[in-house]
Parts: sequence; C-alpha cells; structure tokens
Amino acid sequence: QSALTQPASVSGSPGQSITISCTETSSDFGGYNYVSWYQHHPGKAPKLMIYDVSYRPSGVSNRFSGSKSANTASLTISGLQAEDEADYYCSSNTTTNTWVFGGGTKLTVL
Amino acid sequence: EAQLVESGGGLVQPGGSLRLSCAASGFTFSRYWMNWVRQAPGKGLEWVANIKEDGSEKYYADSVKGRFIISRDSAKNSLYLQMNSLRVEDTAVYYCTNSFDTWGQGTLVTVSS
Repeated sequence: QSALTQPASVSGSPGQSITISCTETSSDFGGYNYVSWYQHHPGKAPKLMIYDVSYRPSGVSNRFSGSKSANTASLTISGLQAEDEADYYCSSNTTTNTWVFGGGTKLTVL
Repeated sequence: EAQLVESGGGLVQPGGSLRLSCAASGFTFSRYWMNWVRQAPGKGLEWVANIKEDGSEKYYADSVKGRFIISRDSAKNSLYLQMNSLRVEDTAVYYCTNSFDTWGQGTLVTVSS
C-alpha cells in the first residue's frame, strides 16, 4: 500500500479544469517539499510535469500547475485537452533517500 | 538532447537472474543520481532503486532489497540493475531515469515458468 494516496480516477470535459490530489499517509516524507508529478501515456515513457511541488520543467504547458497544503499536494490541469488523457502519478522522496510513487490517477477527457 | 536507452529484458524462470543496462547520452551522466522504476502489468509505477553520482550510496525498495543490485560505470555512461532470485511478481517494464526528468522507453522483464 502506497504511502501517497491518489484518487483512482478523475474526469472532465474539454476546456474545463481538474485537480488531482496526492495525500501523504505516513511520516516518511519530512517536509513533503519534493513532490513531483508525472504524466504517463500507456506504452510510452513517463513525463515529468511538475517538480518540487510547483515548478514546471521547460517545455511543459502552463496549463499544468502544482500546489501543496499541509500533507496534500495537488496537480491542476486547466483548459483540458484530449491529449491530456493519461495516467498521472505523484512521487516524493523520503527521509531515507528512497522514493515513493502514488497509486496513480486515470484522467479521462469526456 | 538527453537520452536513456534500456536493454537486457526478456523471459526468465522464477529463481533466475537477469542484468539490465541503461545507456545514457546527451547529459553529464556523472553529475546525476540515477534510478530504476518499474511498472507491472496493470499496476502503477514503483520505484526500485537509486545510486548516487559517484556510486557511493545505493538505496532499494523493500520489495527488491537483498535480491537486486544497482551499479553504474561513468566511463561508459551506463547504469545497471543485476536482478537475482527473480519472482513472478518482478514481471514489469523497467525504466531507468536520472533525476526523473529524463526517462528511457523501458525494457520488459517477464518472470514465468
């Protein structure tokens, strides 16, 4: 059982905004300040979308944003597009230099 | 452009061994922690192991500790994962990644009799 809990699925219509949460359920993550988010299309390599809670790598659309409140991090996608349909994972490092991924959230664009 | 290419996957019997390789290019390999991440069929991503830039520190997921060994060769810009005592539940696509901003396409490992 992952120590990072995500909803199994979310959905939204094109143009809408959605938010995916990632809640830490253990005390292994220190300040929980190194949360990252990944987009994963089946059969392809995962893609880093957000790192260190809210930073976007170069080339990632500004429709993707990250935030954190207490022990819950969130990924918000605004202006949903068909190509956003994918699996999304959060991850964080732990106080023992290991990493944990959330269970993943399947985003469906209606 | 940064690139990672995995190789070495295949079919192996339970209890067997396999060695995965990951060739890096387009970035300064010796300056990055390197990681292995896997995805079992129908499951989510699972972090497997990582290794410090100079190889002096290595960490493993509990699920593979004592069976898998991560290593690197900076002269060859390569990362390795030696997998021993393989179990059916180790069946997965294995990805190498640096600090998670560059990922390979993955190599499939199937453990089955």
